[in-house]
Amino acid sequence: GAGVSQSPSNKVTEKGKDVELRCDPISGHTALYWYRQSLGQGLEFLIYFQGNSAPDKSGLPSDRFSAERTGGSVSTLTIQRTQQEDSAVYLCASSPGDFREVNEQFFGPGTRLTVL
Amino acid sequence: AQSVTQLDSHVSVSEGTPVLLRCNYSSSYSPSLFWYVQHPNKGLQLLLKYTSAATLVKGINGFEAEFKKSETSFHLTKPSAHMSDAAEYFCVVTSSNTGKLIFGQGTTLQVKP
Repeated sequence: GAGVSQSPSNKVTEKGKDVELRCDPISGHTALYWYRQSLGQGLEFLIYFQGNSAPDKSGLPSDRFSAERTGGSVSTLTIQRTQQEDSAVYLCASSPGDFREVNEQFFGPGTRLTVL
Repeated sequence: AQSVTQLDSHVSVSEGTPVLLRCNYSSSYSPSLFWYVQHPNKGLQLLLKYTSAATLVKGINGFEAEFKKSETSFHLTKPSAHMSDAAEYFCVVTSSNTGKLIFGQGTTLQVKP
């Protein structure tokens, strides 16, 4: 079956531009997570969605970062006024059920963002 | 707060020899622990998970891990390494509040012929 998909796979942008990263979770998965993987910081949690609401945004590094999820499915992570330190691989994961059930998180292939 | 520490950033073994990747965790309650693997240019894949059932957990590709509460450890082992095991391995604990994954720093496994 289809897994988690992310687009674009690669994004090169200039400092100061805005970018949008998209995640399509596995159909029927109610939980959706965004993570960031960078050389200096390893793998970091950004935000968690349960349905369309985001009960945990504690990992967003600044107010330049925002995310939304519509229809309990697709999610978009937006980074405004990108900085070079935003360069990383952004990973999306989805999971059936909510956090009280210990379910596997299924990861997408990631979007590699490079800010010049 | 929960955290994990992977004790080795790089492990090198010869093909056919045992693999040991070490992980210690910190948690104020009984944690759920995972090992994920990331092959070059591939996505993260779950190897195995511990959720307070059996302390010895078997995963895919012959890997297993043992939860030792007295040692706060969750080491990953495999009796015989294969070339295809070369990858980055992450020990992970899950937050009780939102299920978010908290990753260790990763261990790069090199398998020599």
